[in-house]
Amino acid sequence: QLQLQESGPGLVKPSETLSLTCTVSGGSISISNYYWGWIRQSPGKDLEWIGTIYKSGDIRYNPSLMSRVSISVDTSKKQFSLKLSSVTAADMAVYFCVSDQYNSSWYKYWGQGTLVTVSS
Amino acid sequence: EIVLTQSPGTLSLSPGERATLSCRASQSVRSTYLAWYQQKPGQSPRLLIYGVSNRAAGIPDRFSGSGSGTDFSLTISRLEPEDFAVYYCQHYDTSPRLTFGGGTKVEI
Repeated sequence: QLQLQESGPGLVKPSETLSLTCTVSGGSISISNYYWGWIRQSPGKDLEWIGTIYKSGDIRYNPSLMSRVSISVDTSKKQFSLKLSSVTAADMAVYFCVSDQYNSSWYKYWGQGTLVTVSS
Repeated sequence: EIVLTQSPGTLSLSPGERATLSCRASQSVRSTYLAWYQQKPGQSPRLLIYGVSNRAAGIPDRFSGSGSGTDFSLTISRLEPEDFAVYYCQHYDTSPRLTFGGGTKVEI
């Protein structure tokens, strides 16, 4: 059973870069075995897809965030990461790392989520 | 961009009753790419249904999904106490892009 755990600063200043890491356990983090992604949930509870790493290694982002977001994977550390630049109060949310073995259309595995607050 | 509208916003029911939740898409969507999640307070969403009507592993058969085109629904045949939660529908398109509905809260 795959397990995901988010980590990173819970407080980020406006205009700075949010950086989160997802550590994977209970399975292989080989890019070719799973789809990996990030989803966030605003305080109002809306869920928003951020991006996905495909089994091919291709990475796709939500067009609304594309200019500010970067997702990468480090298989040696069993981690994948999210960077979101130039954050504003609108980026305050619970960030979830997610994964699925069979497709990128939905996600079976979710981390517990980590709250990121944007404030000076 | 496809917009998913869920209704009602809140559904007040009692254990043992039937719950029917609606998810309407702003344009016709491929059924293959419609899913439902359950989220309880303080927890991450849990995949319930994928491909409109397929239950994810370990999901009780009182949960069922149906629909096509722009109208989809999640039915809980007999509510158990642990079913009171927020439910989200989600669609994937090949742009690619995932979008979520605003959620329906099922409360006692």
